Amino acid sequence: AQKITQTQPGMFVQEKEAVTLDCTYDTSDPSYGLFWYKQPSSGEMIFLIYQGSYDQQNATEGRYSLNFQKARKSANLVISASQLGDSAMYFCAMSEESFGNEKLTFGTGTRLTIIP
Amino acid sequence: NAGVMQNPRHLVRRRGQEARLRCSPMKGHSHVYWYRQLPEEGLKFMVYLQKENIIDESGMPKERFSAEFPKEGPSILRIQQVVRGDSAAYFCASSPEYLQETQYFGPGTRLLVL
Repeated sequence: AQKITQTQPGMFVQEKEAVTLDCTYDTSDPSYGLFWYKQPSSGEMIFLIYQGSYDQQNATEGRYSLNFQKARKSANLVISASQLGDSAMYFCAMSEESFGNEKLTFGTGTRLTIIP
Repeated sequence: NAGVMQNPRHLVRRRGQEARLRCSPMKGHSHVYWYRQLPEEGLKFMVYLQKENIIDESGMPKERFSAEFPKEGPSILRIQQVVRGDSAAYFCASSPEYLQETQYFGPGTRLLVL
């Protein structure tokens, strides 16, 4: 069974500083995907970034990058130059590639608050 | 291209009533996933459907809950005889046939059971 662990329930960060949100995972599948989603107070789930288990390079999307360390089974999200609009819940998730079923397993989330 | 649509956005039901939650996937997407988010928790997988087929319902409670994705029309998540513990946000996500790892979420339906 897959498991995602996010050990930081909440974080406070000064505006313009970089942020690292931790995520570790556990799976026996050789092929899997790792995701980060942002959930602002309005409640919708916004896809941020994806990393495949066989991808050699760390994924990047604008100010977001995923620090993928396969041997450590970690997939930390790095947000550079944080902004007030980054305040939200952030969820790490994982998919297993079995029989084409890409259901996601989510962590418990980290509430990020950016301080002006 | 419209995103994943869910309605209603908010639904209030009394204990014992039925709740019907609708999800229209993005145009061209044939895979639908339903997730439930209890207050202050992460999302939990419930069911995965393709058109007219339930592929994986391992996360769905055995009683009172059912889901369908007909050939025409939206996917429906149906909860019969709701109880207070069913109060949660229910999210639908869709993905295309050949990029199943790319799931796009709808805005969710917030169900409140009084």
